[in-house]
Amino acid sequence: AQSVTQPDIHITVSEGASLELRCNYSYGATPYLFWYVQSPGQGLQLLLKYFSGDTLVQGIKGFEAEFKRSQSSFNLRKPSVHWSDAAEYFCAVENFGNEKLTFGTGTRLTIIP
Amino acid sequence: DAMVIQNPRYQVTQFGKPVTLSCSQTLNHNVMYWYQQKSSQAPKLLFHYYDKDFNNEADTPDNFQSRRPNTSFCFLDIRSPGLGDAAMYLCATSRKDTLSPLHFGNGTRLTVT
Repeated sequence: AQSVTQPDIHITVSEGASLELRCNYSYGATPYLFWYVQSPGQGLQLLLKYFSGDTLVQGIKGFEAEFKRSQSSFNLRKPSVHWSDAAEYFCAVENFGNEKLTFGTGTRLTIIP
Repeated sequence: DAMVIQNPRYQVTQFGKPVTLSCSQTLNHNVMYWYQQKSSQAPKLLFHYYDKDFNNEADTPDNFQSRRPNTSFCFLDIRSPGLGDAAMYLCATSRKDTLSPLHFGNGTRLTVT
């Protein structure tokens, strides 16, 4: 069965600093990978997705992620965070064809001035 | 804008009193999902509809039911809510057989008193 691991429960970053959120997956074939962001009391918003092709994908709000098959990773990055980036971030994997998305446990991002 | 709308945003019900949460979409997606998200946890898939075909997750309690009367609407019925059912309930949609990510509503926060 597919699974997703986000090893960092909580990360604190200074405003303007760079950010990397880690995500590892376990899946037999090439997965479809996603990053979602959730602000308090809100639903999930898609940041970016990887289906195939270029392993570096660009998303909204200045985020990017890199798919590394050899490491089974799909880490999310941003060169300079803004206070509005404070939220919960979820990595997710889909087995294309069974319509199901499996989420990691999330990483809560705190931004300090 | 095409979107996924959940009503109400906040719902309070009494222990054992049936409650229904609603979801509507203007995306014309053929798959609709219900996720349960408890505090500081990842969303957990309860069930989904592919068109009119209902797909229940193996570990979804019988207390949870769903209806999809047409393409646009989907309902989550909790027959006898317990205190442990207090959570955020997220509706999502996608289009099967395309590289379509899930689109989430803003959720309904359910409180059980």
